[in-house]
Amino acid sequence: EPEVTQTPSHQVTQMGQEVILRCVPISNHLYFYWYRQILGQKVEFLVSFYNNEISEKSEIFDDQFSVERPDGSNFTLKIRSTKLEDSAMYFCASSVKTGGYSPLHFGNGTRLTVT
Amino acid sequence: GENVEQHPSTLSVQEGDSAVIKCTYSDSASNYFPWYKQELGKRPQLIIDIRSNVGEKKDQRIAVTLNKTAKHFSLHITETQPEDSAVYFCAASIYGANSKLTFGKGITLSVRP
Repeated sequence: EPEVTQTPSHQVTQMGQEVILRCVPISNHLYFYWYRQILGQKVEFLVSFYNNEISEKSEIFDDQFSVERPDGSNFTLKIRSTKLEDSAMYFCASSVKTGGYSPLHFGNGTRLTVT
Repeated sequence: GENVEQHPSTLSVQEGDSAVIKCTYSDSASNYFPWYKQELGKRPQLIIDIRSNVGEKKDQRIAVTLNKTAKHFSLHITETQPEDSAVYFCAASIYGANSKLTFGKGITLSVRP
């Protein structure tokens, strides 16, 4: 069964540094998402992306965050200047089509630790 | 925006017993309700979902019920097994707007052998 893949599995960075989290969505999927999960808390929506542009973003997704689909397979999340509170598990997800009836498939996540 | 509440936060059952996990949502426009299972350190995985045009859906030992009037939905697991131990998240979204899922806080289910 095809899967969403994410790299790296764990990223440690110092406060103020830039990080790029990478994702390869399932190949025939058209909609891409980033969610994050602070340890022990719920999964929170960050951003959705379709047709090379952001469809929706949450309050968390401020100017420090950006997403990009640089080629036909990768989908990246960049945090320009990391803060301690950015430490979390970041999940990439994809779906075939928008709308509530198209299940989201999550990747295994990247654990970001900001020191 | 949508707010999904999930209670209780932890649930412990004896192997073989049934477990019921309940969620409430606030936005009456929500019409898609998936349940995700997350094992420690792993990705959330969809286990079952329900649309607002049905009241119940079953898949082997798992079932989900939806009460649109009361705006709550529940996950039922029968004949629980130790491998059912995990965190279970409910979520809600609106079809046609976008696929943004609003998750509940999750419940940790422990199945005692």
